[in-house]
Amino acid sequence: DADVTQTPRNRITKTGKRIMLECSQTKGHDRMYWYRQDPGLGLRLIYYSFDVKDINKGEISDGYSVSRQAQAKFSLSLESAIPNQTALYFCATSDPRSSSYNEQFFGPGTRLTVL
Amino acid sequence: SQQGEEDPQALSIQEGENATMNCSYKTSINNLQWYRQNSGRGLVHLILIRSNEREKHSGRLRVTLDTSKKSSSLLITASRAADTASYFCATDSSSVAGGTSYGKLTFGQGTILTVHP
Repeated sequence: DADVTQTPRNRITKTGKRIMLECSQTKGHDRMYWYRQDPGLGLRLIYYSFDVKDINKGEISDGYSVSRQAQAKFSLSLESAIPNQTALYFCATSDPRSSSYNEQFFGPGTRLTVL
Repeated sequence: SQQGEEDPQALSIQEGENATMNCSYKTSINNLQWYRQNSGRGLVHLILIRSNEREKHSGRLRVTLDTSKKSSSLLITASRAADTASYFCATDSSSVAGGTSYGKLTFGQGTILTVHP
């Protein structure tokens, strides 16, 4: 589904580097989310935003920051990457005004490797 | 910690057989959802069941919810090789305001389903 896009799709970086992962959506949804997925685990919520002015920490926000530049854009930053942040990162959106407002729509993911 | 715990962790069946996956959770919920993930890709929503519903169908999918036992099951009937994927349950236990929940989901660790042709 190209309605939620993530860039880059793959990234290899070194410990201590600053990294930004970007998410864009054309669905017109107000709510956006960032998750990380580790092997054998489900998705864990890093940050979520219910509109441009509303940003909230999720379950595992330490070491991450976010920016909601516009309704359509939600960026995740790793200020100083460390190896245990190696994971698959997903952006998702949802629309509280729709009848299926709890359904989340996911991007294709960014595979991040921190050496 | 994970809200949803899924069982089994892996399931291997033949095409045409039914596949049943179970999910248990710990706290009260607004709704429970099932998602599918093909290898390394984004999750796709399959079905949502609200806390006041007991059973829901969508095509070959049947979901049940037992809030007294805090558990749900996903049944895929007449499975196909294309059903091979990981399946995750996700619970919405977030606060509700104005009749709308905050929509925060907590995912289980998933069941890996392999359907052999």
